[in-house]
Amino acid sequence: DTEVTQTPKHLVMGMTNKKSLKCEQHMGHRAMYWYKQKAKKPPELMFVYSYEKLSINESVPSRFSPECPNSSLLNLHLHALQPEDSALYLCASSPPVGRTYEQYFGPGTRLTVT
Amino acid sequence: KQEVTQIPAALSVPEGENLVLNCSFTDSAIYNLQWFRQDPGKGLTSLLLIQSSQREQTSGRLNASLDKSSGRSTLYIAASQPGDSATYLCAANRDDKIIFGKGTRLHILP
Repeated sequence: DTEVTQTPKHLVMGMTNKKSLKCEQHMGHRAMYWYKQKAKKPPELMFVYSYEKLSINESVPSRFSPECPNSSLLNLHLHALQPEDSALYLCASSPPVGRTYEQYFGPGTRLTVT
Repeated sequence: KQEVTQIPAALSVPEGENLVLNCSFTDSAIYNLQWFRQDPGKGLTSLLLIQSSQREQTSGRLNASLDKSSGRSTLYIAASQPGDSATYLCAANRDDKIIFGKGTRLHILP
């Protein structure tokens, strides 16, 4: 298995809803990442988990809550989002090979907040 | 703070031409430089990764070079095809943070 999977592919939620995005990799990677990408913009880093511990939080609003239950799974819990949070949310993982830090991306979840 | 710039922002070329995409970065203390391809509404596909100790990497019709001292990388695409049409992103990687350029939108004209 050489890929990063993300579910769901599309999500529409109201501003009062609670939903979660899921990311999985079975490549034995030691780091996992969440990115947010707006249309025609590059991905922006949100969170990094290294060996299942949160190592980087890029000052993301608390309505986004990451969780890493195990080394293969990464969740992003969403609550009370705003319409401007509508974007493509990308997950990535990185192997534990020296200083390679090569990142492998999933296909993304297209989120629409109404 | 690392800044990554890609030139040009958009490029249209006839099919069959060779082309070069440029990427520059301000902080040369990087671990690697990674080139990605992104199709509209899709995730990122890694094309090539150049370690900081390397000068270039090749994969098929793609060749990426890295000059850390000048803070530059180029992606060379040979014999372009309509299927190469996409946005190409370069990313400078240090620790667990990679900084992306804004990308070059490439359109190959049939």
